[in-house]
Amino acid sequence: NAGVTQTPKFRILKIGQSMTLQCTQDMNHNYMYWYRQDPGMGLKLIYYSVGAGITDKGEVPNGYNVSRSTTEDFPLRLELAAPSQTSVYFCASSRNPDAEAFFGQGTRLTVV
Amino acid sequence: TQLLEQSPQFLSIQEGENLTVYCNSSSVFSSLQWYRQEPGEGPVLLVTVVTGGEVKKLKRLTFQFGDARKDSSLHITAAQPGDTGLYLCAVFAKGGYSTLTFGKGTMLLVSP
Repeated sequence: NAGVTQTPKFRILKIGQSMTLQCTQDMNHNYMYWYRQDPGMGLKLIYYSVGAGITDKGEVPNGYNVSRSTTEDFPLRLELAAPSQTSVYFCASSRNPDAEAFFGQGTRLTVV
Repeated sequence: TQLLEQSPQFLSIQEGENLTVYCNSSSVFSSLQWYRQEPGEGPVLLVTVVTGGEVKKLKRLTFQFGDARKDSSLHITAAQPGDTGLYLCAVFAKGGYSTLTFGKGTMLLVSP
């Protein structure tokens, strides 16, 4: 099993550009999440989804958007990139909200 | 206020030493998870503890859940360079987001 797959692994964006971080999972998990990880700050929840067609904001949603048209895919859209969005982004999925979370390898994003 | 406080934030030791890291909260939880994140990778689940006072062993790693289910510790015996990584504890907090809440982690560096 591939588990959770994120693309791209690295990306440099200019201020004001937009991009989509892709995330797909093959475990048929209903729950999917996007986190950002900054040095010394732990994992902060951006958005999450409890199933296809249902998404909700997490702790730090400003500047991001998500969609969940299928169980497998949960893309994260950055509109008008800002230097404050420089971070490492992780997608994760789980069977239930209190169950083991499976993470992708992350996307290291730099906004210059 | 952080739901989970992890200490120490950073630990640098020599190969063969023993160490303990802590995850504390003022709240009671039905279970607690420990993850390890190696450099450049996403977090991976090590163990889930569910019973107050429970002790689980994973080779040289010993995990304990506090009697009151508010805290947990991770003890590593004879640390090896392969133990290097960020150790994160996580809980499911009812009434919050439908996902795990992570502590900020303890960064462990084991030198040969």
